[in-house]
Formats: sequence, C-alpha cells, structure tokens
Amino acid sequence: GAVVSQHPSRVICKSGTSVKIECRSLDFQATTMFWYRQFPKQSLMLMATSNEGSKATYEQGVEKDKFLINHASLTLSTLTVTSAHPEDSSFYICSASPGLATDTQYFGPGTRLTVL
Amino acid sequence: AQSVTQPDIHITVSEGASLELRCNYSYGATPYLFWYVQSPGQGLQLLLKYFSGDTLVQGIKGFEAEFKRSQSSFNLRKPSVHWSDAAEYFCAVGEDSSNTGKLIFGQGTTLQVKP
Repeated sequence: GAVVSQHPSRVICKSGTSVKIECRSLDFQATTMFWYRQFPKQSLMLMATSNEGSKATYEQGVEKDKFLINHASLTLSTLTVTSAHPEDSSFYICSASPGLATDTQYFGPGTRLTVL
Repeated sequence: AQSVTQPDIHITVSEGASLELRCNYSYGATPYLFWYVQSPGQGLQLLLKYFSGDTLVQGIKGFEAEFKRSQSSFNLRKPSVHWSDAAEYFCAVGEDSSNTGKLIFGQGTTLQVKP
C-alpha cells in the first residue's frame, strides 16, 4: 500500500525559532499534498493544499508567512513553522494524493511540535 | 458549506458486540464520503469510501458503511468488534466543488473496547 512518512515524529523547540517538517510519499508520486493541524481530542483542520511546482493554497485564517509550505518534487513537501510560539504547539499531519480529486489521500503518522 | 457531524464523541462496546458509529453530513450534491481510523503513533488509515453506485460499501477489517441520502448519513458498522479496533474514527466528506480533493473531517469518535 501507499506509504507516507513524516520527519521528525516529534520536535521540541524554543519560542522564536523555526521548525521544518518533511512529508514524503515513499512509493508513489504525489501531485497534491495536504497539511493538517490536529489539536488534542479534536478533528483535523486543513491548513493548506500544495501542488508540485506551484504555490500552496492556504485555508482561511492560516498565516501563509508563518506556515511556509514547499512542494518541490512529486515525493516531498515541507512545512516550516517560522518564529514558532507556544500556541503553535500541535500535532501536524500531512497527506499525499496521486492527484485526482477522488483519489484516496494517504496520511503520514504526524509530527508532534512542542514550542517552549 | 460542507460539514460533517459525528454525534458520538466516545463509545464503549464489549469485544464481540456489534458497532455502529454515526456520521451526518451537509452537502448540496452527491458527496464523496470516507471513514478513516487513527491509532496512536500511526497515520490515518482509510477504512472505506463512497463515491457512487451501491450505497452499502465494504471496507477493510470487516467494516462496512451505508450511504443514506434521505438521512444525510454515512454510518460505519461492524458486526463483531475486536479489541484491536479501539482507536479514533473519523468521517470525512470530500469537497468536490473545486476538484481539489480537500477533505472536511468530523470531530471524531473514540472507540473503547471492553474485554
């Protein structure tokens, strides 16, 4: 089956620093990747949609200058949380899709970010 | 705007008992509907999906779901629950209007299985 990896699985950083999270599709080409944020005991909230080679589309209320998304290849997307603050602490999940709207999204295991 | 409601935040069933997790959606056209399961330390795994055709959908791990347009529901069922089914379950609807593949998730239902 399709596998999506995320790295790191867990990261702790100081307030004001930047953190990069990688999302890789290991055995298929992902035309589209999605980034979600999940708060404890809550649902997944879509942050942005990224297509390979183009700028990400951010959901309303998500600061694009704070959450930088790069989708440089068909197997890699990165999310950089810039100048992180404690309120950015959350569980970040990526998913990857071969491309069609009706295609299944394959989810990574998530990254737990803690900002001190 | 599309929305998904999972009325039950937490459900406890005994091992071997039947299970039904509820999901209601709000969407103008025929929705694309999904059920995912999230286990600790693992990514969301697709259990089943409905796009069109037969309204009773079979999935992995013995799960099935039935699309009922009249009730705007897509409930997940399993005839006999195993202890390994304890996890978080999410219903989602695909936002097709913009053909982006975006998913809108329900709040999730935590399933606890008693021995």
